[in-house]
Amino acid sequence: QVQLMQSGAEVRKPGASVEVSCRASGYNFTRFGVAWVRQAPGQGPEWMGWISGYNGNTNYAQKFQGRLTMTIDKSTSTVYMELRSLTSDDTAVYYCARDGSRGSSDLWGQGTLVTVSS
Amino acid sequence: DIQMTQFPSSLSASVGDRVTITCRTSQSVRTYLNWYQQKPGTAPNLLIYDASSLQRGLPSRFSGSGSGTDFTLTISGLQPEDSATYYCQQSSTTPRTFGQGTKLEIK
Repeated sequence: QVQLMQSGAEVRKPGASVEVSCRASGYNFTRFGVAWVRQAPGQGPEWMGWISGYNGNTNYAQKFQGRLTMTIDKSTSTVYMELRSLTSDDTAVYYCARDGSRGSSDLWGQGTLVTVSS
Repeated sequence: DIQMTQFPSSLSASVGDRVTITCRTSQSVRTYLNWYQQKPGTAPNLLIYDASSLQRGLPSRFSGSGSGTDFTLTISGLQPEDSATYYCQQSSTTPRTFGQGTKLEIK
């Protein structure tokens, strides 16, 4: 079955870091990039960045430069997203999404709720 | 960053109606424009990519058109299961920005 399976919900205090994982199955991991998209409560989606499943090259949105890191583990077909220096504005559902045609996202994980609260 | 303007922000229509949602970009994205459907508590689902290409397995009542800066998503013959929020996204340049969404209610 072609799917992306994400790690479970997280709660962090302001200033902390969080890492969310996204394990791919059912397709050739190295042939596709993966984007991370977050969605704050009641808001539209926000694209955070992208990582190549082939060589780990990354492209981050300027907004997150310096506190966002994406990595891959080809041996387990897993993508990781780490966000540091969390504030309450980072409370959101975080999704991983596979690259489809022409930069679309054709396969999504189920989402991981990250709550930042003191 | 490319700004996305999507309208209307909400609309209500009846089963069998035809509805159109518009997305405008702040600069040309050629045809690098995608449409997603999202239902509460679930991830977005790709409907249309490359402005007018229907994602495999989806019903043909969904169609997209446009190029440059002006795009439309049309749903013909509305069904109850089409109740959702619809988002456009440009994938011409990074960051791949999204519109703010159109919430569609089925009367």
